Amino acid sequence: DVKVTQSSRYLVKRTGEKVFLECVQDMDHENMFWYRQDPGLGLRLIYFSYDVKMKEKGDIPEGYSVSREKKERFSLILESASTNQTSMYLCASSFGGLEEETQYFGPGTRLLVL
Amino acid sequence: TQLLEQSPQFLSIQEGENLTVYCNSSSVFSSLQWYRQEPGEGPVLLVTVVTGGEVKKLKRLTFQFGDARKDSSLHITAAQPGDTGLYLCAGGNQTGANNLFFGTGTRLTVIP
Repeated sequence: DVKVTQSSRYLVKRTGEKVFLECVQDMDHENMFWYRQDPGLGLRLIYFSYDVKMKEKGDIPEGYSVSREKKERFSLILESASTNQTSMYLCASSFGGLEEETQYFGPGTRLLVL
Repeated sequence: TQLLEQSPQFLSIQEGENLTVYCNSSSVFSSLQWYRQEPGEGPVLLVTVVTGGEVKKLKRLTFQFGDARKDSSLHITAAQPGDTGLYLCAGGNQTGANNLFFGTGTRLTVIP
């Protein structure tokens, strides 16, 4: 079974703090994704990566950055957390470049920024 | 951004009833996926449809991709409490990359 793990299930941070969210997948997948999920808005893509050290902006990259130094790990960074970044963050991975391929999701990190 | 609107947003039904959830867009998609998300977990893929007019059945779940590949529906027969969850549709956009555009979601509650 594919396993996607996220470093924290719940996180509470203060405004202005730097926040790191880590995601690890164990299936040698090429693609990795970071989404945020908010009620009534569905999942919105923040950043994705299709190879080590490669990254592409998604629909809402502002206020976020990412890092992919190793194939299995994709990190989401909030340089200076703000209250409007309170959300559920979901990481996903997929095998290759076909758009119909399955994305496998982690359990999510619920971030609260005070 | 290609928008996928799902309806209804919330649905609460009794066990044994049938229901249909809709996913609509003004954009054409090369493929359409349906995911189910349970509380505290990430979404899990239920099905992928890639051909306009395609119908796929998964036990009590029937998925249809519209002829024009702009819409899809999920029909559940004789709903059970285990069907409770958030149902998300997601469209692929033929860019060659595995980028999906997710719908707004339908939260289904099946009451025993």
